[in-house]
Amino acid sequence: KNQVEQSPQSLIILEGKNCTLQCNYTVSPFSNLRWYKQDTGRGPVSLTIMTFSENTKSNGRYTATLDADTKQSSLHITASQLSDSASYICVVSFAGGTSYGKLTFGQGTILTVHP
Amino acid sequence: DADVTQTPRNRITKTGKRIMLECSQTKGHDRMYWYRQDPGLGLRLIYYSFDVKDINKGEISDGYSVSRQAQAKFSLSLESAIPNQTALYFCATSAGTSGIDEQFFGPGTRLTVL
Repeated sequence: KNQVEQSPQSLIILEGKNCTLQCNYTVSPFSNLRWYKQDTGRGPVSLTIMTFSENTKSNGRYTATLDADTKQSSLHITASQLSDSASYICVVSFAGGTSYGKLTFGQGTILTVHP
Repeated sequence: DADVTQTPRNRITKTGKRIMLECSQTKGHDRMYWYRQDPGLGLRLIYYSFDVKDINKGEISDGYSVSRQAQAKFSLSLESAIPNQTALYFCATSAGTSGIDEQFFGPGTRLTVL
């Protein structure tokens, strides 16, 4: 069964600090991996999208890495801000058969940034 | 979020009632999706539509039905609501014109079934 597992489930950091969120997946064949940010009470918003040929992609203070061989991804947040408090969701797109493009969502990591 | 709107934003209903959640988009996308989100779980696909005449079941379609009234409108119905359908519901759209096919989400509808 295609799965996406994220760790940790929740994380508390102080403003200005860096943090790294992890994502392991078993989706195969793999098309692309996305990281979304979901603020409380809002819909998910895309941060980065990486295909199997990309191993890093940045969006401002957010940097995602991908190791397609080990099926692992990470999202690194630099110099955290209070507005970074949100749930971060790893999403993997399937590349096979009639389910091409089907997305499998992780359960999310809830990040809380304290002043 | 303004490109994809959902109504209502919050709804409380009783078991057995029929409920309709509506989604409208101004992005001009052909593809539309309905997901539900439960605490501690990833979003799960209920139904999706690749154009007005195309409707497909997702992984958890039982107890739900949809209607694609126009390119810009996609409605989700709960024919007879039950308490375990209490969840956060999201509509999403995508252009379907590239391999990546990025999805854009609405703000969500919080549904409570008593």
